[in-house]
Amino acid sequence: DAGITQSPRHKVTETGTPVTLRCHQTENHRYMYWYRQDPGHGLRLIHYSYGVKDTDKGEVSDGYSVSRSKTEDFLLTLESATSSQTSVYFCAIGPQFNQPQHFGDGTRLSIL
Amino acid sequence: GESVGLHLPTLSVQEGDNSIINCAYSNSASDYFIWYKQESGKGPQFIIDIRSNMDKRQGQRVTVLLNKTVKHLSLQIAATQPGDSAVYFCAENISGSGGGADGLTFGKGTHLIIQP
Repeated sequence: DAGITQSPRHKVTETGTPVTLRCHQTENHRYMYWYRQDPGHGLRLIHYSYGVKDTDKGEVSDGYSVSRSKTEDFLLTLESATSSQTSVYFCAIGPQFNQPQHFGDGTRLSIL
Repeated sequence: GESVGLHLPTLSVQEGDNSIINCAYSNSASDYFIWYKQESGKGPQFIIDIRSNMDKRQGQRVTVLLNKTVKHLSLQIAATQPGDSAVYFCAENISGSGGGADGLTFGKGTHLIIQP
């Protein structure tokens, strides 16, 4: 999606290391979300934000933290990565002005 | 268990035929539903949505049907083309505002395969 940039797109790291994923939007959306996608589970909500410094937990928030210090950036942090956090992570923004939630192209994270 | 699920993980159809992808949801309070298409290596892409005050909504080559009595949602794709090959997800939300504020609940997905 042109308005959402996720970085990095791919990352391989070791168990126990900290990892931060970034989502950057250029559409000035209030709402931002982090999901993870695993085979057999579809997408599951990790955390979301409804404004600067306003965040809340989703369905699978254990082991993750988030921060949103400005409208355009939403960071997802794994303080001490575990192999169970190997997944594809998607950022989403919206809804706004009758536009439904839409997604970035994901970050593929492998934890060895 | 899953609040939103799908009956078939894989659906194979002939090019040119119509495709029907089904979805069951369990939360009767859900009042907004979306279908997404996901191609390999990409994020989910919005196809069509429907609110609970409607039974049917049509887009370009796609139709979504909602049966609240049996909590069932379907996506119909007319004249299926090779470019329709993807995984299709249904998603639901209670707030009815397009997925905010508390996010969407997704089904597991159906892989649509187009046979030449």
